[in-house]
Amino acid sequence: SQTIHQWPATLVQPVGSPLSLECTVEGTSNPNLYWYRQAAGRGLQLLFYSVGIGQISSEVPQNLSASRPQDRQFILSSKKLLLSDSGFYLCASGTALNEQFFGPGTRLTVL
Amino acid sequence: DQQVKQNSPSLSVQEGRISILNCDYTNSMFDYFLWYKKYPAEGPTFLISISSIKDKNEDGRFTVFLNKSAKHLSLHIVPSQPGDSAVYFCAATTGSNYKLTFGKGTLLTVNP
Repeated sequence: SQTIHQWPATLVQPVGSPLSLECTVEGTSNPNLYWYRQAAGRGLQLLFYSVGIGQISSEVPQNLSASRPQDRQFILSSKKLLLSDSGFYLCASGTALNEQFFGPGTRLTVL
Repeated sequence: DQQVKQNSPSLSVQEGRISILNCDYTNSMFDYFLWYKKYPAEGPTFLISISSIKDKNEDGRFTVFLNKSAKHLSLHIVPSQPGDSAVYFCAATTGSNYKLTFGKGTLLTVNP
């Protein structure tokens, strides 16, 4: 079975600072990878997905970017954080078309 | 445009009784539906799914019902247990799509 690692678990950053969240996947190869954000009181919003190394699709215009330098590594970044970037960030992996497995998440607070 | 809707933000039931969580969708292209369970500060975990060729799928205490004509699905948990207290997300996708569309979730509280 797949295991998704995310770090850090929590992060407090000032407005305007950079961001780098990392996700790695074990137990599978060539997975589809996803970044979601859950803002307070809201559902899961898909931010980016990737079907292969270097292939990134963005779902919503925003202050964030994603990269996939290796098959099982997915990175979420920002050059300058905004207050609105606060939320719970989840990485997910899916090899089947329909099921996705989620990591433990990163709680980001931008002050 | 919210394509997957969970109109009840919260639900409270007594231990041992049935919990019914509802979900509506608007995109008629959706043909596969999933339920995820999420505890605070953790990632969602897959619970149960159903294909549009079925109207019911059962796994232990969990049963999902799909009414395609009404574009409605529901998750039944019976009997409910305190450990079932969590946020439940409904999600939908098409067979040719890599993406899941999630509802906003329903917080289920099962009282002892």
